[in-house]
Amino acid sequence: GENVEQHPSTLSVQEGDSAVIKCTYSDSASNYFPWYKQELGKGPQLIIDIRSNVGEKKDQRIAVTLNKTAKHFSLHITETQPEDSAVYFCAASAGSARQLTFGSGTQLTVLP
Amino acid sequence: NAGVMQNPRHLVRRRGQEARLRCSPMKGHSHVYWYRQLPEEGLKFMVYLQKENIIDESGMPKERFSAEFPKEGPSILRIQQVVRGDSAAYFCASSPAAGLSEQYFGPGTRLTVT
Repeated sequence: GENVEQHPSTLSVQEGDSAVIKCTYSDSASNYFPWYKQELGKGPQLIIDIRSNVGEKKDQRIAVTLNKTAKHFSLHITETQPEDSAVYFCAASAGSARQLTFGSGTQLTVLP
Repeated sequence: NAGVMQNPRHLVRRRGQEARLRCSPMKGHSHVYWYRQLPEEGLKFMVYLQKENIIDESGMPKERFSAEFPKEGPSILRIQQVVRGDSAAYFCASSPAAGLSEQYFGPGTRLTVT
């Protein structure tokens, strides 16, 4: 089955700096890669996703890149703000399987 | 436009009791997924259902756990004879269609077994 590894497990940045979180996956059939933000006591919130037919996608301060050859994808947050502090999860899915396989999460702390 | 709804938000059960967790998908969504999140860990897939059908239950423990999504009403995740190891947050997600589509998560039910 699919295995998703996520690094780093914790990340602290100064407000205004950029943050990068990286994930690798094992199943070459995976073709959908969402990122979720989870605040304490809440459910995961979909913030951006990318499909295997594109290499990069951007939405305001958030961008995701995908390298299918190397089987890795990354989340980039620019101009970080304190409200970006949360746990971020990457995930992967092969269309036929539908289930999402999640990484272990990154606790991002943005220091004011 | 209400999101995915789950209830109860918190549930306390003694060992050996039954737990029933409910999930109402977003309006217009007919696909429901259940995931479990243990403390300090990521989410693990349990089961994928469409109305009246279990599509994929490869992540469900073989015993004590069952799920349904009836024609009318919410999806239900049922855990019989709960044990301490069942204590976790259980999340439901829904999506609008088959194939590649986004999954939107509810707020979760936090189950504590005493």
